[in-house]
Amino acid sequence: NAGVMQNPRHLVRRRGQEARLRCSPMKGHSHVYWYRQLPEEGLKFMVYLQKENIIDESGMPKERFSAEFPKEGPSILRIQQVVRGDSAAYFCASSPPGKTEAFFGQGTRLTVV
Amino acid sequence: GEDVEQSLFLSVREGDSSVINCTYTDSSSTYLYWYKQEPGAGLQLLTYIFSNMDMKQDQRLTVLLNKKDKHLSLRIADTQTGDSAIYFCAGSANQAGTALIFGKGTTLSVSS
Repeated sequence: NAGVMQNPRHLVRRRGQEARLRCSPMKGHSHVYWYRQLPEEGLKFMVYLQKENIIDESGMPKERFSAEFPKEGPSILRIQQVVRGDSAAYFCASSPPGKTEAFFGQGTRLTVV
Repeated sequence: GEDVEQSLFLSVREGDSSVINCTYTDSSSTYLYWYKQEPGAGLQLLTYIFSNMDMKQDQRLTVLLNKKDKHLSLRIADTQTGDSAIYFCAGSANQAGTALIFGKGTTLSVSS
């Protein structure tokens, strides 16, 4: 059973471009979470999704950030018009229904130049 | 909301025990977690403890929970160089446990 797969592992974007981060949860997991880790900081919760639904987006910035988890395919975290302050590691985690134990991917390290 | 605090650094010799401490502010977390992050890698769930337990042991790992003082600790027995990593404690931001609040992490350095 492959773990949580995130791609790309590293992403470089110029200011103003769009960044799309993908996350494939573990097999059988229908819950996906996105976290952001700024340098030398802990992880900050962004959004919690189930298939086709956003359950909790209390940690998402109000503008430029969006997330989806379609019926088919990976979850996508989309950042429009990136700025230098968006540079961070973005981690995805997944869990099966009814369980709170979350398994993390290796992260996507976004660098905005 | 929940706030989680950890000491930032711990340095030990190989073979010694390591104790990593964590304090939290909100008692509503059903579970409290310990994660390990190696350089350039994702987070690996090490262990977790149910909030109505005082202690949980899992091989070299012992978790102690003091609910009165809102204090959580992770003890690693016979620490090895491969244990060098950043250790994060985490609690839940909600009763469902679907949004974790992480501390800033404790960097454990193990010297031989």
